[in-house]
Amino acid sequence: AQTVTQSQPEMSVQEAETVTLSCTYDTSENNYYLFWYKQPPSRQMILVIRQEAYKQQNATENRFSVNFQKAAKSFSLKISDSQLGDTAMYFCAFHGGKSTFGDGTTLTVKP
Amino acid sequence: DSGVTQTPKHLITATGQRVTLRCSPRSGDLSVYWYQQSLDQGLQFLIQYYNGEERAKGNILERFSAQQFPDLHSELNLSSLELGDSALYFCASSPWTSGGVVEQFFGPGTRLTVL
Repeated sequence: AQTVTQSQPEMSVQEAETVTLSCTYDTSENNYYLFWYKQPPSRQMILVIRQEAYKQQNATENRFSVNFQKAAKSFSLKISDSQLGDTAMYFCAFHGGKSTFGDGTTLTVKP
Repeated sequence: DSGVTQTPKHLITATGQRVTLRCSPRSGDLSVYWYQQSLDQGLQFLIQYYNGEERAKGNILERFSAQQFPDLHSELNLSSLELGDSALYFCASSPWTSGGVVEQFFGPGTRLTVL
């Protein structure tokens, strides 16, 4: 069975600064996708970024980028130029044969 | 708006009762997933259907069951409800690709409160 671990329950960052959220996973599958989702207070699940496991190049979406280390089974999310609207819970997720989510990291962006 | 709809938005019921949650996937999506999110916790995968057939099963209790109908909408049935079943229940859908699950689109969730 696969597992997803987010070791940082809570983090905070000053507006305009950079923050990195950690995620590690364990799986025996070869073909899978990794995702970061954002869940603001509205509780809606919003896709932030995705990474195909077979791609070596790290995914980037505007201010969001990942550091994907397949051998180490690590998938961290970097948020640059943090904005107040980035305040939310962030979930790392594995989608393969089954879907597995981490327990989440609550990020607070301070003005 | 993800295109996935869930009804009802809120549901309040008593212990021992049975409820049905409904999900309509995005147009064209064949896969439907159900998740449970208890307060301030991560999402627990319950079950996945693909084109009417069960595809994968997670930590779904025996008191819970689901199905996907020919029109691709799905229902999650929760019976003999307990206080601990109070949670936000999400439905997600995804299109089929030969490469697997590229992205899941989440509905707004149904908040179930068991009193």
